[in-house]
Amino acid sequence: DIQMTQSPSSLSASVGDRVTVPCRASQSISTYLNWYQQKSGRAPKLLIYAASNLQSGVPSRFSGSGSGTDFTLTISSLQPEDSATYYCQQSYSTPLTFGGGTKVEIK
Amino acid sequence: QVQLQESGPGLVKPSQTLSLTCTVSGGSINSDGYYWSWIRQHPGKGLEWIGYIYYSGTTYYTPSLASRLTISLDTSKNHFSLKLSSVTAADTAVYYCATIGDSDIEYFDYWGQGTLVTVSS
Repeated sequence: DIQMTQSPSSLSASVGDRVTVPCRASQSISTYLNWYQQKSGRAPKLLIYAASNLQSGVPSRFSGSGSGTDFTLTISSLQPEDSATYYCQQSYSTPLTFGGGTKVEIK
Repeated sequence: QVQLQESGPGLVKPSQTLSLTCTVSGGSINSDGYYWSWIRQHPGKGLEWIGYIYYSGTTYYTPSLASRLTISLDTSKNHFSLKLSSVTAADTAVYYCATIGDSDIEYFDYWGQGTLVTVSS
């Protein structure tokens, strides 16, 4: 199985800050990497697919980058509504696997 | 736009079978290229992919659950189902159904709201 690692498990930033959320795969997954946002008590929501493609309706302050084993989700200007847990997910091979999540909090 | 809704018992006794249904609206479960998926989330933990069924009926299960798991389609009711046998407290989780609309990239684009299933006597 491909292991997805997200570290740190939480981070705190101020409104307006540029925030980066890293994700690492245990082997190369090309760009088969997707990002989700999950707010408390809600289902996850797709933000980015295939490493860098913004899902329709997602604000442009969200972006994704990376290939191979190292990926990054960037929030260019953190907003209060971005307080959530962010998960990466690889779709290179089954079983599909998720990272453990990074919780982004607003200072 | 596809909408998904999970339904089923919120409480299951240990050793019994957990059964959930995901009703699909706004789209056909027969749609070419769609995977219909189940994902779970243990309380306070991350996401775990359980498995999915292709519109043709082909299934893919995560190995750790495969021996206890059945995912099936009911095209007449436009829903798909999950059955997990011999449950224990470790199967207590929020269960989500979700779709994969792009079979090349396999991202989960639509999700149900989730349903909490507690395994307890």
